[in-house]
Amino acid sequence: GAVVSQHPSWVICKSGTSVKIECRSLDFQATTMFWYRQFPKQSLMLMATSNEGSKATYEQGVEKDKFLINHASLTLSTLTVTSAHPEDSSFYICSASVAGPAPDTQYFGPGTRLTVL
Amino acid sequence: GENVEQHPSTLSVQEGDSAVIKCTYSDSASNYFPWYKQELGKRPQLIIDIRSNVGEKKDQRIAVTLNKTAKHFSLHITETQPEDSAVYFCAPGNTGGFKTIFGAGTRLFVKA
Repeated sequence: GAVVSQHPSWVICKSGTSVKIECRSLDFQATTMFWYRQFPKQSLMLMATSNEGSKATYEQGVEKDKFLINHASLTLSTLTVTSAHPEDSSFYICSASVAGPAPDTQYFGPGTRLTVL
Repeated sequence: GENVEQHPSTLSVQEGDSAVIKCTYSDSASNYFPWYKQELGKRPQLIIDIRSNVGEKKDQRIAVTLNKTAKHFSLHITETQPEDSAVYFCAPGNTGGFKTIFGAGTRLFVKA
């Protein structure tokens, strides 16, 4: 149980284009979803936290107009990287948590590797 | 905000030896203390966690100890195996306002 999927697993795009990444909880309803970015040999950096039906809370230094997050249902959150540039190339990972006895347990997606040419 | 430090950044051990990684945090409100294992190009996997009402938790070769007074918790791996080689992250959190900050990671090498 508690499986999280991401699509696509990898994407290559041209500079200036937008890319959408989907995060789905397959067998549970996620109270909260998180988006992380991980550069090579670095840690996971939290970008934003989103709850279904409400606006995402962005971390300091993360541009909300560049990284658009939509959390339309309890099983789907999307991250759109708008006007992508080479410096946005990274490994993007989502996670989901479940309300209940252990709301702090996070279930991670497999990640999406974005390469911007 | 939370300041999280992990030590060491790199750890190399011989197969069969023990490995210990320490995580220090600053937010006294933190009450959830997980450790994640991440293999190259893959998602982080929760390997063990502990909550603030417990001082130690063990699961086979893996254990976590917590010192809330000193604000640190440690990952202990005994009888290490080559497949334990990975990057390990601590990520202390607070269930109240829930937000997780990951440590910088510890790269563990287990030599056969």
